[in-house]
Amino acid sequence: DIQVTQSPSTLSASVGDRVTITCRASQSISYWLAWYQQKPGKAPKLLIYKASSLESGVPSRFSGSGSGTEFTLTISSLQPDDFATYYCQQYNSYSWTFGQGTRVEIK
Amino acid sequence: EVQLVESGGGLVQPGGSLRLSCAASGFTLRSYWMSWVRQAPGKGLEWVANIKHDGSEKYYLDSVKGRFIITRDNVENSLWLVMSSLRAEDTAVYFCARTTYCSTGRCYDHGIDVWGQGTTVTVSS
Repeated sequence: DIQVTQSPSTLSASVGDRVTITCRASQSISYWLAWYQQKPGKAPKLLIYKASSLESGVPSRFSGSGSGTEFTLTISSLQPDDFATYYCQQYNSYSWTFGQGTRVEIK
Repeated sequence: EVQLVESGGGLVQPGGSLRLSCAASGFTLRSYWMSWVRQAPGKGLEWVANIKHDGSEKYYLDSVKGRFIITRDNVENSLWLVMSSLRAEDTAVYFCARTTYCSTGRCYDHGIDVWGQGTTVTVSS
């Protein structure tokens, strides 16, 4: 099975900061990677699919990049609504895996 | 409005069974692969199972193979997860989710773009 390692597990940042979260796959997954945002008690929300495609309605401050085994999610200017937990997910094979999550907290 | 609504969660003893339901509305269910994803208390997301848009293929997390069955009825616009031989480690919020779109012989992978609100399963004596 493909393993996905996400880092960091926690990130402390201030409003306006540029934030980057990394996801590494144990083998090449081409560009079959998605990013989600989750707030406490809520279902996850799709932000990015196919590594770099922005989901409709998601603010342009969110961007994704990478291919193969290394991927990043960048928030160009952190907003108050962005404090949440973020997950990457590989869907290269029929057996999917999520990263462990990155909690973005207020510094 | 595109919506997924889960039901059927509850408290069950170890070794017991439970059937989760997911009612889909606002879109053509037969055009989409569907999934179940779970989240244990205070933990991350874990994919559980996928089912092809026509129900002909199913895939499972290794730890639930032989215990869980994913099924669907595209006429009733419904998805189910039948869980048996439940263990304490199956305790989680279970989300119904919409994934790959398929039309005229082609499929388009888009991640999980629609999620239900989740239903809670607690396995405890």
